Amino acid sequence: AQRVTQPEKLLSVFKGAPVELKCNYSYSGSPELFWYVQYSRQRLQLLLRHISRESIKGFTADLNKGETSFHLKKPFAQEEDSAMYYCALGGSNYKLTFGKGTLLTVNP
Amino acid sequence: EPEVTQTPSHQVTQMGQEVILRCVPISNHLYFYWYRQILGQKVEFLVSFYNNEISEKSEIFDDQFSVERPDGSNFTLKIRSTKLEDSAMYFCASSEVGLRGLAEGGQYFGPGTRLTVT
Repeated sequence: AQRVTQPEKLLSVFKGAPVELKCNYSYSGSPELFWYVQYSRQRLQLLLRHISRESIKGFTADLNKGETSFHLKKPFAQEEDSAMYYCALGGSNYKLTFGKGTLLTVNP
Repeated sequence: EPEVTQTPSHQVTQMGQEVILRCVPISNHLYFYWYRQILGQKVEFLVSFYNNEISEKSEIFDDQFSVERPDGSNFTLKIRSTKLEDSAMYFCASSEVGLRGLAEGGQYFGPGTRLTVT
């Protein structure tokens, strides 16, 4: 079974502080991991995918198969980063399994 | 940049009525999906669709639900007889390739249709 755990429902940081949003997964096969972001009143947007190892808006995420984690990090948070962040797992079937999401608030 | 569109943005219906939620996926995408999110809960997979047939469906997607691609652009979700517990935000998504190559592209989501069953 596929499962994604985002342990923090809420995360609040100050502008300029580092931020880490945690994501752990459970999957027996070869996982494909994604981060989606949802700004207020907007659609889910694909932020990162592990395969591309890219950095978007200063965010990075590294897949750690040993720890079954895919934490999202940013060294210096900005106020415009305030949003809901979802970690998602794609397996060998045609679906994404989402975590419950973490609401990030960046305070001035 | 092309986007997935959904109509209507909000649908209110009475219990027992049929509803059809509409989606226009990104034009060169071949895989289509429906997800739903009950208020305060996680986004849940309902169904995936490729080559005019269902690829996978979840246990939520029972006989009351159906999907269709009636023409070259629309992708619809029909709920035959709505229940109170069907009230949720319904998201359509599309991707260029299937999940084996999904990492190269990812799934792109529409803005959602908020369904309220009274």
